[in-house]
Amino acid sequence: DAGITQSPRHKVTETGTPVTLRCHQTENHRYMYWYRQDPGHGLRLIHYSYGVKDTDKGEVSDGYSVSRSKTEDFLLTLESATSSQTSVYFCATSWVSYEQYFGPGTRLTVT
Amino acid sequence: DAKTTQPTSMDCAEGRAANLPCNHSTISGNEYVYWYRQIHSQGPQYIIHGLKNNETNEMASLIITEDRKSSTLILPHATLRDTAVYYCIVRDVSSGSARQLTFGSGTQLTVLP
Repeated sequence: DAGITQSPRHKVTETGTPVTLRCHQTENHRYMYWYRQDPGHGLRLIHYSYGVKDTDKGEVSDGYSVSRSKTEDFLLTLESATSSQTSVYFCATSWVSYEQYFGPGTRLTVT
Repeated sequence: DAKTTQPTSMDCAEGRAANLPCNHSTISGNEYVYWYRQIHSQGPQYIIHGLKNNETNEMASLIITEDRKSSTLILPHATLRDTAVYYCIVRDVSSGSARQLTFGSGTQLTVLP
């Protein structure tokens, strides 16, 4: 498996506070993705990146922003967290083969 | 990307082969069949993919019908650790750009001791 770590693994925050989740990879994969997983909705793409400083929106991007200043790091920011953003967040990476490798996930609770 | 249909759940005895079907009757010529699985509380894991030929790797075999409208993932000797939700995904990779994977509901495979 690709070396993908996510931090933090668990976070509880209050409504209205900013939150940043980090994804770090050691495989030099070009593409990186942020998904969220909720009961009844499966995995949904939030944002993805196809290179340093190159990002694009996914299916559920409202309320989220991303940044990728280095190949190995992809940050997901919730500018002002809401309860609807309580979820499990997964980062994934891939190279040209389109086989995505997922990180262990971050469980975020917004109270 | 073509829509897929999978059974909601299946059981398999430990040590026996697990055969997970997937229907993708609207698949087009450029679309590959991918299989992922998700063990409880973990991130999804890539298993295998194929276009039209049968494929085998250390984890599983993928059998695609000649008309490509359905496929079967085979875990040859299921273990308790194979209990997971299995997702069949059809995806057009001809564009050359990064695209999301669309995970449906998948099949909950339970391997019984």
